[in-house]
Amino acid sequence: NAGVTQTPKFRVLKTGQSMTLLCAQDMNHEYMYWYRQDPGMGLRLIHYSVGEGTTAKGEVPDGYNVSRLKKQNFLLGLESAAPSQTSVYFCASRPGPAGPTQYFGPGTRLLVL
Amino acid sequence: DQQVKQNSPSLSVQEGRISILNCDYTNSMFDYFLWYKKYPAEGPTFLISISSIKDKNEDGRFTVFLNKSAKHLSLHIVPSQPGDSAVYFCAAHYSGTYKYIFGTGTRLKVLA
Repeated sequence: NAGVTQTPKFRVLKTGQSMTLLCAQDMNHEYMYWYRQDPGMGLRLIHYSVGEGTTAKGEVPDGYNVSRLKKQNFLLGLESAAPSQTSVYFCASRPGPAGPTQYFGPGTRLLVL
Repeated sequence: DQQVKQNSPSLSVQEGRISILNCDYTNSMFDYFLWYKKYPAEGPTFLISISSIKDKNEDGRFTVFLNKSAKHLSLHIVPSQPGDSAVYFCAAHYSGTYKYIFGTGTRLKVLA
């Protein structure tokens, strides 16, 4: 049982490039989340999903898109990367409505030059 | 407007003593509060939570206290161990939604 995994662990992009971050969970959780963490700030919600095929915007969604085609995977896309998107990205999952605990992946460190 | 605040960026405690980490919130619509622990280059890991209808929850060395009138919660670690050295995040869950608000974290250093 790997829990929540994230791919890649680290990436360097040039401004304007695109990339996709992959989050996978093997716990059969309904809800999945993407956060970013910046120095001196708490985790901020980018997008989330409450089930396969559904997504919704969080607190800071601009410049990002997401998809949840399979229950176990939640993809975060950057269409045209900007230096302001340099951050550490965390994916999390939650079983469902019962119980508030989220389980986090190890993070993806992204540097946009 | 920070709805969840951790006003102490860092805290140092001697091994064996009590560590007290604090968190303040402004929104009465939160129904759960959670504490996460984060080591460098790792994701946050769940530590302990408390429902807004409770005032205390205990799990081993970790106890969370909730003071609703003051909109304040605290995490007590007794006794503190060097392995507890990490960043601790307080998070609040919005009732009836899927959303959480995180504090900015407190870096705890337990000195051997």
